[in-house]
Amino acid sequence: KAGVTQTPRYLIKTRGQQVTLSCSPISGHRSVSWYQQTPGQGLQFLFEYFSETQRNKGNFPGRFSGRQFSNSRSEMNVSTLELGDSALYLCASSLGQVAATNEKLFFGSGTQLSVL
Amino acid sequence: DAKTTQPTSMDCAEGRAANLPCNHSTISGNEYVYWYRQIHSQGPQYIIHGLKNNETNEMASLIITEDRKSSTLILPHATLRDTAVYYCIVRPTLTGTASKLTFGTGTRLQVTL
Repeated sequence: KAGVTQTPRYLIKTRGQQVTLSCSPISGHRSVSWYQQTPGQGLQFLFEYFSETQRNKGNFPGRFSGRQFSNSRSEMNVSTLELGDSALYLCASSLGQVAATNEKLFFGSGTQLSVL
Repeated sequence: DAKTTQPTSMDCAEGRAANLPCNHSTISGNEYVYWYRQIHSQGPQYIIHGLKNNETNEMASLIITEDRKSSTLILPHATLRDTAVYYCIVRPTLTGTASKLTFGTGTRLQVTL
């Protein structure tokens, strides 16, 4: 069974641009959650989607948005990029909604975004 | 959310057992303890989780103290490929909050020859 696939693997953008990252969950998984990882802040939760609906959201500005399609694939978008948005963006999939505390998360390898 | 405390770094000789401690003194009765690890340039990988009892799988063993205030992840025969950052996480139980996982800074385990 294929794992969580994130594309692209690396991305370089300039300030003010926007970017779209893609995540394909493990087949059969319906929940996709997104995280931002930086050396200073560690791994921080962005949002979770389940059955095409956003179920939970972290403390990030409205420039960060996402969506989930009927096949459970998810995209996240960051508009008006800032230097501080440079980070590793990880997505994780799980069979059911992550709010169930017994759900395991399976992470992709991430997209490394550099904003110049 | 219950907070976890882990040592910043640890070393372990290849072939020996690696024992990684985690303190979660404010854990509540129905919160799970999860362990993940992150190898450089990859996403975190699930290792094991438990509630009260000790758990074992093909990767590791998890020992949880009787008062549940601390736990230890044991890699029985560490190899160089086990070099990674290990995160101990307590999963909140409130619906809607469990996805807001807080990974903390973890323990950087260095396995050496």
